[in-house]
Amino acid sequence: NAGVTQTPKFQVLKTGQSMTLQCAQDMNHNSMYWYRQDPGMGLRLIYYSASEGTTDKGEVPNGYNVSRLNKREFSLRLESAAPSQTSVYFCASSVGLAGVSEQFFGPGTRLTVL
Amino acid sequence: AQKITQTQPGMFVQEKEAVTLDCTYDTSDPSYGLFWYKQPSSGEMIFLIYQGSYDQQNATEGRYSLNFQKARKSANLVISASQLGDSAMYFCAMRSLNSGYSTLTFGKGTMLLVSP
Repeated sequence: NAGVTQTPKFQVLKTGQSMTLQCAQDMNHNSMYWYRQDPGMGLRLIYYSASEGTTDKGEVPNGYNVSRLNKREFSLRLESAAPSQTSVYFCASSVGLAGVSEQFFGPGTRLTVL
Repeated sequence: AQKITQTQPGMFVQEKEAVTLDCTYDTSDPSYGLFWYKQPSSGEMIFLIYQGSYDQQNATEGRYSLNFQKARKSANLVISASQLGDSAMYFCAMRSLNSGYSTLTFGKGTMLLVSP
């Protein structure tokens, strides 16, 4: 039982390049999330997926797209990376959005955009 | 809209002493949940403790307890008998428990350093 896994762990991009961050969970959770963490800013929600087949914007969605590929996988895509997207990205999952439901986090992806 | 405020950027405590990390929140929802997460230097986010707004008693999980004062809108984390391994960043978070969907809102965190 690996919990939430993310790939890659580290990535360096040049401005304008694109990439996809992968996330998978093996806990049979319905809901999945993408956050970014910047120094002094805490975690901010980029996108979330309440259940398979649905996605919604969070607090900071601009410059990102997501795909809920199936119940296990939720990917985050940067179409044209910008230095402002340098951050640590966390994927998380939970049983659901309604009710009491703690979120389980992946180990994070450290992204640097030059 | 929900808001979490953690006013202590950093806290220092000696090993074996107790420490309180402050968290205040703002919400208009009558039903909500409060969470604390720990982020050690390795980077992962670890769930510590949960308190529901209608829970009669303060939550406890081992050495962690949540000092929930609803009227003051505060949900402070108390760590008893601090250990060196408690050195980490701590985040308070909340979400509405009303019908429908709601996501977590995080505070900016407090860095705790435990000294020998």
